Formats: sequence, structure tokens, C-alpha cells
Amino acid sequence: DTAVSQTPKYLVTQMGNDKSIKCEQNLGHDTMYWYKQDSKKFLKIMFSYNNKELIINETVPNRFSPKSPDKAHLNLHINSLELGDSAVYFCASSRGPRYEQYFGPGTRLTVT
Amino acid sequence: QQPVQSPQAVILREGEDAVINCSSSKALYSVHWYRQKHGEAPVFLMILLKGGEQKGHDKISASFNEKKQQSSLYLTASQLSYSGTYFCGTEIRGNKLVFGAGTILRVKS
Repeated sequence: DTAVSQTPKYLVTQMGNDKSIKCEQNLGHDTMYWYKQDSKKFLKIMFSYNNKELIINETVPNRFSPKSPDKAHLNLHINSLELGDSAVYFCASSRGPRYEQYFGPGTRLTVT
Repeated sequence: QQPVQSPQAVILREGEDAVINCSSSKALYSVHWYRQKHGEAPVFLMILLKGGEQKGHDKISASFNEKKQQSSLYLTASQLSYSGTYFCGTEIRGNKLVFGAGTILRVKS
């Protein structure tokens, strides 16, 4: 069974479109995260939820909006996509902020 | 706030040892280590907590010098499977991890 899953794995879209990435974890964890990894492999946290409550909201454009319908799911919606949004987006989960994080397989977003 | 990792890259032969360093300019609550293989997700290796507790991997060890805000990851008797990019993630406060730029490790046979 996949611990942390993301869909889609690849996403190719044009500038100006709106897209969503979904994440689900079956580990029973309370905390979930979204990370962005750019072309230089720099891994940067975007958001974190603990028990469906937003606890970390980094300096991310308002075009990015996370939503956590329940503890097992954390989705990321992106409005008005820009070229600079092209990256790999990873979802992760953990028992809590000071525990190991389990990463999903990533979603490679390409904006043309 | 981003921790500094060194070296940026290292090439080893199988069986050789390596040390990867991570240093921060801020006081740290914890240091996490992850390995990422090309095209894959980062995988947890080790957590070092303030106060000395460690949780981690059986073939990899690490140290955490709280006073110097530094951590080192020790890879002994390296295997081909150790190849990848190693990231340290530092927790300053606010329960978020800030990752370093990564150290590329390549093990050759």
C-alpha cells in the first residue's frame, strides 16, 4: 500500500490556467506538508497542516491555496499559472512537526 | 536561514567513507537528514533532536553539535545504493524544516 500518494504525477498546462494537485496519506499522521522543488533541486516548504489546521504558510503567492478536507488529505490549488511555477511539488506527512516526514512521489508541473 | 551543506558533491569508491556537514547560523531544535535519488522522493534517514536524542537508520550515523549549530552525517563502507543527493533540514522554530541545497554523493564500483 502506498503511504503517501499524489495525483497527478505529471501535469503540463499553459500559462493562465488553474490546476489542482491532490495528496492522500494512509499512515494516520496528523501533519501534512506541501514542498516545492525547483530545477536546482532546492526543496522549500510552502504549507503545513496539523489536524486540518494551517500551521505554516510560507511566503507563497496568493495564487496557491491549500485545502485539507480531512486529516488524510491535503490538496493544492494553483490559480493563473505562471512559467515560474514549473517545478516538482511534493506532499509529505508526519506524526508531528518533529517526526520523520514521508514524502509522496511528487507531481512534476510544467507550465508552457 | 538556509543551512549550509558541505561538500557540494563527493565521489567515492565502494567501501569508502564520507562525511556530509550541515551548519546553521541560528540555534537549532532539531536536524533532519534525507536522501533523494534521481527522479524520486526524498527518503528519511535520521533525526537529531536538541538534547541528544537520535532516531534513524541502522547503517548511517550522525552527530549534532547544538552549541555550534552543526550536524554531520557519517556514511561508512559506502555502497552503490548510497548514491543520491543528501539534504539536511534544520528546525529553527515554528516547527518547520528549512533544507540545505543538498550534497550530491556518487559511489562508483
